[in-house]
Formats: sequence, structure tokens, C-alpha cells
Amino acid sequence: DAKTTQPTSMDCAEGRAANLPCNHSTISGNEYVYWYRQIHSQGPQYIIHGLKNNETNEMASLIITEDRKSSTLILPHATLRDTAVYYCIVRVAEGETSYDKVIFGPGTSLSVIP
Amino acid sequence: GAGVSQSPSNKVTEKGKDVELRCDPISGHTALYWYRQSLGQGLEFLIYFQGNSAPDKSGLPSDRFSAERTGGSVSTLTIQRTQQEDSAVYLCASSLTASYQREQFFGPGTRLTVL
Repeated sequence: DAKTTQPTSMDCAEGRAANLPCNHSTISGNEYVYWYRQIHSQGPQYIIHGLKNNETNEMASLIITEDRKSSTLILPHATLRDTAVYYCIVRVAEGETSYDKVIFGPGTSLSVIP
Repeated sequence: GAGVSQSPSNKVTEKGKDVELRCDPISGHTALYWYRQSLGQGLEFLIYFQGNSAPDKSGLPSDRFSAERTGGSVSTLTIQRTQQEDSAVYLCASSLTASYQREQFFGPGTRLTVL
């Protein structure tokens, strides 16, 4: 499994863009980068995923470097409700069944400040 | 239902007692996963179901832990003779299929406290 490293915590002013970095230098060619977040006392929530190209959805944008060794999750206009722990992971596929186990590290605790 | 549900939301038990945690996946989802999250830690994979069978039980920490799934829907995680180190939030997730690209949708979890 490719391991990811993220900063332990970050602050962001409300209304500004939150840029959350992630390093995954040992990622394999067929592994995707996924981002989840977990708001206090709730289960993890899927945000976005990508392989090589940058991706955007209604929640966030994902920028993946050309060498795929790092990525950045961007919340364009952070709100207080975005305060959460953000997890960057690389998906693991096993054999023919191709199921995967979502395995999280400690993540980045993002605090959005009024 | 609209999402994955779990019950109970909180469970306090005494050391040595057995507990059962329940997960109702999203209707039609064939894959079901159990994880646990200890305070301040990331998620730890426990077991995966495809339909009613469990191809991967590798994450179960000991033989005190078992899980079953019936009718391809509801799953129960059972912990026998609970220990204090079992205290954690137990999360269940489901996905439409087990294919690589399918997202896992998580329930709110069951917070287990073993006194």
C-alpha cells in the first residue's frame, strides 16, 4: 500500500481557500488518490478522487502533481462547516475481486476560523 | 433508507460482557465493511463482506471478534468477553459493488466504551 503523509493540523480563515497537501511518493501507477473528511462525531464522508488529471466537483478540487507523488485538496471558499479531519488515502485493490479497504491515517485537522 | 445506519449509537459495557453491533447498509449495496477508529487514530479495517460471505477477515484483532451478514443486507459485529482496549468507534460502510471504483458510504458509527 502506498503510504500518505499529511500535516497534523491547519487553520484557514472563513471565506478563503483551504489548501490541504498530501504526499504519496510511493504511489503505484494504477492507484488512485482519494480524499475523505470526518466531521466531529460523524462517519467519514467521501470528497473527491483522481488518478492523474485534476478533478473538480461541487465540494472541492483535487490537484495532482505530474509525477503523482503529491496532491492538494482545495476547498475554494471554506466555511465553518468545513471544520473536520481530512484524510488523503491511496486505494488498495486486491486480486481478481478488486475490492478495496479504505485505510485512513491520522489525517489533517482543519479548523476554519471566523 | 437514505444512508447506512448503525445501532446502537452508543454502548457502555462492563469488561467481560459480550456486545452486538448492528449495521444496516444502503439498500442494494452488496459490499459491506466494518472498521474501528480509536480515539485520535485513523480507521482500522476489520472485515469485508461480499453478499453474505466474508472473503477477508484479516483485520479482526482476535477470535473474540466475529461478524455475520444475513440476506445480503444487515450485518452484526459481535465482540465476546470485551476488554478495555476494545473501546473505540465501530464504523460500518457499504458500497454498491466491490469494484475498485465504487465509493464506500459510511454510517455514523457505534461508540463502544468498555469499563
